[in-house]
Amino acid sequence: DAGITQSPRYKITETGRQVTLMCHQTWSHSYMFWYRQDLGHGLRLIYYSAAADITDKGEVPDGYVVSRSKTENFPLTLESATRSQTSVYFCASTAVLDEQYFGPGTRLTVT
Amino acid sequence: GQQLNQSPQSMFIQEGEDVSMNCTSSSIFNTWLWYKQDPGEGPVLLIALYKAGELTSNGRLTAQFGITRKDSFLNISASIPSDVGIYFCAGRSGGTSYGKLTFGQGTILTVHP
Repeated sequence: DAGITQSPRYKITETGRQVTLMCHQTWSHSYMFWYRQDLGHGLRLIYYSAAADITDKGEVPDGYVVSRSKTENFPLTLESATRSQTSVYFCASTAVLDEQYFGPGTRLTVT
Repeated sequence: GQQLNQSPQSMFIQEGEDVSMNCTSSSIFNTWLWYKQDPGEGPVLLIALYKAGELTSNGRLTAQFGITRKDSFLNISASIPSDVGIYFCAGRSGGTSYGKLTFGQGTILTVHP
């Protein structure tokens, strides 16, 4: 009964490095989402996916790449990390289209 | 993009008091949701609302989908210390594709024993 998990929970990386954040859900939900949470901005949608191999941009997609080869996994990659990408990242999923369920988050620091 | 105005930004109350917070938008929303976030955790869904005028309860929590479809309210009755956290409203505006929620800035709730 794991639900939705994220790894790692904490990550420190250097500017310019590639970083991948993992998201895994055990509900077989079709829809999955990536958000970032920053003070003063609340939760902002980065990318979402309606099903395996179907992804679309959200509000703040620049600098991020996603893939969804399997329904249960939705990794988020920062191709070349920048300090402005220091944030808390949340993955979410849903079967009922508007009721999203969130993972515990990954706190990413880019130095 | 869409914006939700959530108020108040923070509240300091005594245990046992009732709490009210609200969320407003300049455009019509088809769905309103309320989440609670504890420190170091992800938001947890409390209540989902799908029809204008709808009033839904979850234990001591009651939320309403405003008649104008431009606002929503969350009430917490007889607050307890574990109610501490950040409460977020979220919604999907008319014409927005499924999955694209807009979130409010959050209300930080502190409960003094």
